[in-house]
Amino acid sequence: DAGVTQSPTHLIKTRGQQVTLRCSPKSGHDTVSWYQQALGQGPQFIFQYYEEEERQRGNFPDRFSGHQFPNYSSELNVNALLLGDSALYLCASSFGFRTDTQYFGPGTRLTVL
Amino acid sequence: AQTVTQSQPEMSVQEAETVTLSCTYDTSESDYYLFWYKQPPSRQMILVIRQEAYKQQNATENRFSVNFQKAAKSFSLKISDSQLGDAAMYFCAYHDGNQFYFGTGTSLTVIP
Repeated sequence: DAGVTQSPTHLIKTRGQQVTLRCSPKSGHDTVSWYQQALGQGPQFIFQYYEEEERQRGNFPDRFSGHQFPNYSSELNVNALLLGDSALYLCASSFGFRTDTQYFGPGTRLTVL
Repeated sequence: AQTVTQSQPEMSVQEAETVTLSCTYDTSESDYYLFWYKQPPSRQMILVIRQEAYKQQNATENRFSVNFQKAAKSFSLKISDSQLGDAAMYFCAYHDGNQFYFGTGTSLTVIP
């Protein structure tokens, strides 16, 4: 049983560029949440997708957008990258969107130069 | 807004000894969930223990136990018989039914 997978593992971009991160949920899960973890900080909630719609959103600008596909996998898109977007981006999956039982992926390390 | 505070950026413990990590939180809700997650250098967040706020009994998972004081809004993690593999970043987290709120973490070093 595969757990939550994320790609790519590492990514380097320059300011102003756009980036897409990918997440495949654990088998049987239908909900994906995204988190940003800056260096030395705890993860911060970006948004959550369920039934291909954004259900919850944290305090992040519109430059952060996402998508969920019919197979429940998800993408996180960040436009007009800033240096401050450098962070570890974590994906977590769950069954149902109003649940506290989430399984995390290994994350994507994004560096913006 | 819900906030989670971990006042110990770093802690160390001798192998086989016991260590307690502190966490406080702020909420006006009566029903919520509290967690401790472990994040080793591999970066993957691993669930250590979960506590439901309406349960008075403190959660226990093998060598890991919590001291949940709802009135004081305190949720500490006790690790008994510490092992080298326990070395990691530990995050306290609060879940309000919609999303997680994480603390800033405590880096635990286990000394052989």
